[in-house]
Amino acid sequence: AQSVTQPDIHITVSEGASLELRCNYSYGATPYLFWYVQSPGQGLQLLLKYFSGDTLVQGIKGFEAEFKRSQSSFNLRKPSVHWSDAAEYFCAVALYSSASKIIFGSGTRLSIRP
Amino acid sequence: EPEVTQTPSHQVTQMGQEVILRCVPISNHLYFYWYRQILGQKVEFLVSFYNNEISEKSEIFDDQFSVERPDGSNFTLKIRSTKLEDSAMYFCASRSGDLANQPQHFGDGTRLSIL
Repeated sequence: AQSVTQPDIHITVSEGASLELRCNYSYGATPYLFWYVQSPGQGLQLLLKYFSGDTLVQGIKGFEAEFKRSQSSFNLRKPSVHWSDAAEYFCAVALYSSASKIIFGSGTRLSIRP
Repeated sequence: EPEVTQTPSHQVTQMGQEVILRCVPISNHLYFYWYRQILGQKVEFLVSFYNNEISEKSEIFDDQFSVERPDGSNFTLKIRSTKLEDSAMYFCASRSGDLANQPQHFGDGTRLSIL
């Protein structure tokens, strides 16, 4: 069955420290990959996406993610986090089709230590 | 930048009542979606809609639910005879025809509280 796994439920990092959020997917083929961020009480904002090509993709707010086909992973990274990065982060996948749904992971809550 | 807008932001309804959640997708988009997020849980797909018909629906989307695009701009989710477990945040999303270039854009959600 198609699935997205985010093994870390909650991560706390110090402001200015680097960040890596893990994501693994299970699909028969390489899906389209996304990271969304959700601030408390807010909607879902797209951080970045991978469709094809360069496996290191750059997103908004200084985030990047690397697609590793051999590991079925799409980890999100940021070299130096800011207090405003505290939020819930969702990894998501979609298979290409004319009306493809998005399947979300369970999310990782990021807290920032001052 | 164009946005998906959802109204109301918060809806409180008595159990057993019908509720309609409204969404205005981005104007040139062709594919429309509803998702649900129960408090503290992940976002779950409910239904996709294209060319005035449902393309795909999840197990959650049973006969209690229906969707409609009553005019050229609105996309609605109707929940009949609401239950306590329908309390959740409901997100509308839309995208244009080419997923490779245009991922789904989400609205800010409607928080539905069933009393």
